[in-house]
Amino acid sequence: DQQVKQNSPSLSVQEGRISILNCDYTNSMFDYFLWYKKYPAEGPTFLISISSIKDKNEDGRFTVFLNKSAKHLSLHIVPSQPGDSAVYFCAAGRVAGGTSYGKLTFGQGTILTVHP
Amino acid sequence: DTGVSQDPRHKITKRGQNVTFRCDPISEHNRLYWYRQTLGQGPEFLTYFQNEAQLEKSRLLSDRFSAERPKGSFSTLEIQRTEQGDSAMYLCASSLGLAGALGNEQFFGPGTRLTVL
Repeated sequence: DQQVKQNSPSLSVQEGRISILNCDYTNSMFDYFLWYKKYPAEGPTFLISISSIKDKNEDGRFTVFLNKSAKHLSLHIVPSQPGDSAVYFCAAGRVAGGTSYGKLTFGQGTILTVHP
Repeated sequence: DTGVSQDPRHKITKRGQNVTFRCDPISEHNRLYWYRQTLGQGPEFLTYFQNEAQLEKSRLLSDRFSAERPKGSFSTLEIQRTEQGDSAMYLCASSLGLAGALGNEQFFGPGTRLTVL
């Protein structure tokens, strides 16, 4: 049962353009979401997160949008740079009783390639 | 370097042998997590600790797997009687244990790649 899905295995964009990575989830109990970037032979690196009380969070070139009714989130990277080429994972977790649950559920990842 | 560290980075073993991995979290983090990642998949949760207490274990963690965090600092993950299906990247992460969602982001180490022959 894949509770978090990234349906696009890969995405290719030109340098300077916008990259949009998508993620869908099925478990309505998830209430916080994160994006991670992973280079080969390294662990995932945290990029940005969003709580379900918001629909948008921005950090520099990275913006995450959350549509709770559609159970969908997306990561926008503007402008895209060749150094952004990596595998991007979305992840979801739960907050209950004011303390975050430990477990994160990850999607399968999307390989982003940014061409110079 | 104040990030999460893991040792060893690579381990090759023969089927049936036992292996042990170590994780040192970010020093002020009281939560420590173990995940497993196979090719083409995202990380899958195995278990996590709040200080020295193991709070949740996935059903992926068979009885051949055991994790400890004896003093609430570093953690070890042991796999007994390894099988070829155990070949994967084993990732460790740590986080603060703050109230609420934000500020509890998990930070990952570089992983230990296990190959079982």
